[in-house]
Amino acid sequence: DADVTQTPRNRITKTGKRIMLECSQTKGHDRMYWYRQDPGLGLRLIYYSFDVKDINKGEISDGYSVSRQAQAKFSLSLESAIPNQTALYFCATSEAGGRVNEQFFGPGTRLTVL
Amino acid sequence: GESVGLHLPTLSVQEGDNSIINCAYSNSASDYFIWYKQESGKGPQFIIDIRSNMDKRQGQRVTVLLNKTVKHLSLQIAATQPGDSAVYFCAETYQGAQKLVFGQGTRLTINP
Repeated sequence: DADVTQTPRNRITKTGKRIMLECSQTKGHDRMYWYRQDPGLGLRLIYYSFDVKDINKGEISDGYSVSRQAQAKFSLSLESAIPNQTALYFCATSEAGGRVNEQFFGPGTRLTVL
Repeated sequence: GESVGLHLPTLSVQEGDNSIINCAYSNSASDYFIWYKQESGKGPQFIIDIRSNMDKRQGQRVTVLLNKTVKHLSLQIAATQPGDSAVYFCAETYQGAQKLVFGQGTRLTINP
């Protein structure tokens, strides 16, 4: 979805390096999410944020941190990358409301840690 | 733990045939289900959703069926086209939950 952009689209890095993945959205949504996708495991939630002052851990937050710089921006950091963090990373957004509903995904960032 | 899973990781169908993709869920509290389509090199895209007070919901060429008794839902695609080739994910949530739980995905391949 062009309204949700991710940078970079591809990144190769070495073990121990600090990496930041960025996500921007023009949909005006309050809620933003970071997922990791591995073959055969589907999408797993890393962190989510319901507004600028709200940050929540997902099911696999260890080794990751996030920053919600503005309503439209949500960054994911790997403080010290390790090979098993090699994966496809997706950012998503959704409208605020009483229920998690339709999420709009960015195109993904393919990260390789050597 | 609670999880959403799929019966088959891959499915091949002939162009023009109907496709049926299945999904099992284990959280009896789940009351809202979504199907996503992920094409190669792209993020998942919403297809259709269904609430637990419904057994069936239809969209354009797609139908979702929900069987709460056996905790199973399926996505039916009518007259499958080459553009339907993708990985399909089911996801579930429940009232008060803050997030979706995704299944592992099924890859649909269309044979000419």
